[in-house]
Amino acid sequence: GAGVSQSPRYKVAKRGQDVALRCDPISGHVSLFWYQQALGQGPEFLTYFQNEAQLDKSGLPSDRFFAERPEGSVSTLKIQRTQQEDSAVYLCASSSSGGKVDQPQHFGDGTRLSIL
Amino acid sequence: RKEVEQDPGPFNVPEGATVAFNCTYSNSASQSFFWYRQDCRKEPKLLMSVYSSGNEDGRFTAQLNRASQYISLLIRDSKLSDSATYLCVPRGAGNMLTFGGGTRLMVKP
Repeated sequence: GAGVSQSPRYKVAKRGQDVALRCDPISGHVSLFWYQQALGQGPEFLTYFQNEAQLDKSGLPSDRFFAERPEGSVSTLKIQRTQQEDSAVYLCASSSSGGKVDQPQHFGDGTRLSIL
Repeated sequence: RKEVEQDPGPFNVPEGATVAFNCTYSNSASQSFFWYRQDCRKEPKLLMSVYSSGNEDGRFTAQLNRASQYISLLIRDSKLSDSATYLCVPRGAGNMLTFGGGTRLMVKP
C-alpha cells in the first residue's frame, strides 16, 4: 500500500517568499505530524493533528509557520516570508493511533527546502 | 541538558563486528521508546519499538533501563547495509516524538 507522500520533493525559494508543503498521510491514519530536520540533526517536532484538529503546535518556531488539515486527511504546512534559517528538510509522519501512545509513526520522504 | 542525548559518532566498525549505542533521556514520563534508522538523505524508518525492559529482533537488541533513563541498541554481526544514522526516540505523555541527534554507524568491509 501507499506510504506517506510529500510534495514537492525539493523546493527552492527566495527569501521573503511564501511556500506551501503538502503531505498525504497513509489512508486511514488518524494522527499526522510535521517535523523539521536541519542538516546533521535529528528531526524536531513542529505540530500534530488528530483528524482535523491541531492538538499541539508548540514546536512551530514562529507565527510565520502555519499548518492545516481541514478534512482530516491531507495537510499543508505553510511558511510565510521565508528566511534563510527556514532551510531544512520538512518531514511529515502519520500514525494509526488515535490517542494511544504506542503506535509508531511512518515518515514520508520529506521536502527539502532551500531559501536563497 | 538536551531531552535526548546520543553520541553522534561516527562509529567505524568492520563487517561482522558487534556494536552498541547508548541513549539517555531526561523525560521520566516517557512510556514508549523507538529506535529509528535514517539513511543519508532519506526519511527515518522504524527499526524497533521498546515497551518493557527490552526487545530483540534478529541481530538487533534494544534494552531499556528506566531507573537510569537510558536505552541501548546492540547490533550483532554488522553488515555493510547497517551503515546509517540511528535515532533514539522516546515518546512522552503526548504523541510527540522527541528525537535524539542520532548516532552515525559506518560498517567497513
